[in-house]
Amino acid sequence: KAGVTQTPRYLIKTRGQQVTLSCSPISGHRSVSWYQQTPGQGLQFLFEYFSETQRNKGNFPGRFSGRQFSNSRSEMNVSTLELGDSALYLCASSWSSGGAEFYEQYFGPGTRLTVT
Amino acid sequence: EDQVTQSPEALRLQEGESSSLNCSYTVSGLRGLFWYRQDPGKGPEFLFTLYSAGEEKEKERLKATLTKKESFLHITAPKPEDSATYLCAVQARYTGRRALTFGSGTRLQVQP
Repeated sequence: KAGVTQTPRYLIKTRGQQVTLSCSPISGHRSVSWYQQTPGQGLQFLFEYFSETQRNKGNFPGRFSGRQFSNSRSEMNVSTLELGDSALYLCASSWSSGGAEFYEQYFGPGTRLTVT
Repeated sequence: EDQVTQSPEALRLQEGESSSLNCSYTVSGLRGLFWYRQDPGKGPEFLFTLYSAGEEKEKERLKATLTKKESFLHITAPKPEDSATYLCAVQARYTGRRALTFGSGTRLQVQP
């Protein structure tokens, strides 16, 4: 079974621009979560989507947004990029039936975003 | 607020020298504790899930254990290919709090 895929793998943007990152979950997984990883803050939760609905959101400004499509693929968008947004953005998928249960999250390789 | 603290920050071992990594956690009702391995420039790779105190899981040279306040990842006779950052994460029991809270990781280097 194919793993989580993320595109693009590397991205260089200029301050003030916006960026869209894409994630395709493992086949059959309906939950997709996004994380930001930086050397200083480690792995931090951005948001989680299930059946095209955001179920949970971390403590990030509104410049960070996301969505999920009917095929469970997800995108996240960062508007008005700042230098501090430079990070590895990781997508993780998990099997979920929509209830309160939780299963392991499987991560993709990440998108390395550099803001100059 | 959920918190995860990992120690040591970095660990250097000789090949074959066994050791343990520590993960201390504070969470309002633990649903699960997760161990991941992360190689440079890659996403975390899932290793184990532990759900209740006393539970143990093994995979090759790795063994994870869980108490009510901490988890240990024991590495027996490590090899250079075990070099990586090992991350611990917890998930709270409350509905809606599905996010994983991660520790800062332990960077393990195994020298031949």
